[in-house]
Amino acid sequence: DQQVKQNSPSLSVQEGRISILNCDYTNSMFDYFLWYKKYPAEGPTFLISISSIKDKNEDGRFTVFLNKSAKHLSLHIVPSQPGDSAVYFCAAYLIQGAQKLVFGQGTRLTINP
Amino acid sequence: NAGVTQTPKFQVLKTGQSMTLQCAQDMNHEYMSWYRQDPGMGLRLIHYSVGAGITDQGEVPNGYNVSRSTTEDFPLRLLSAAPSQTSVYFCASSYQVSSGNTIYFGEGSWLTVV
Repeated sequence: DQQVKQNSPSLSVQEGRISILNCDYTNSMFDYFLWYKKYPAEGPTFLISISSIKDKNEDGRFTVFLNKSAKHLSLHIVPSQPGDSAVYFCAAYLIQGAQKLVFGQGTRLTINP
Repeated sequence: NAGVTQTPKFQVLKTGQSMTLQCAQDMNHEYMSWYRQDPGMGLRLIHYSVGAGITDQGEVPNGYNVSRSTTEDFPLRLLSAAPSQTSVYFCASSYQVSSGNTIYFGEGSWLTVV
């Protein structure tokens, strides 16, 4: 039972354009959502997060949107840069109880020059 | 990756062997956890700890043991390695549960069981 899903295994975007990565979840009780970026042979690094009480959070070129009614979140990267090429994981957790992150399968983003 | 150290980075085991993956953090984080990453599966939680002396199972705990005798260390033990445990393992830590706390990951340990 995959509670957090990233249905696109890969995405290719031209440099300078917008990259949109999508994530769906099934548990309406999740309190917090995060995006992590992972380069090969490295651990995931935190990118941006959003609380379930908000619908948008922005940090520089990165914006995360949350649509609770659709149980959907997306990460927008504008403009896309070659260094953004990586695997992106969305994750969610419940504050009540332990802070157990539930991850999606990941989307490999490739930025083409 | 801020302050989460995993060793070893690479390891090859024979089926049935035991080993321990070490994880240490120097940020005084209360929460620590172990994940495994497999192709097409994302990262799955193995075990976690909310403080010294307290551990609990995650999504895929079978075949693994953990202990948390200090705040800094959270070792993961494979008692009898199986080929299904071939994976990349990530240790993570953060401050205690609170909204928006960033969870920091180590660089990973690549384990192959033959």
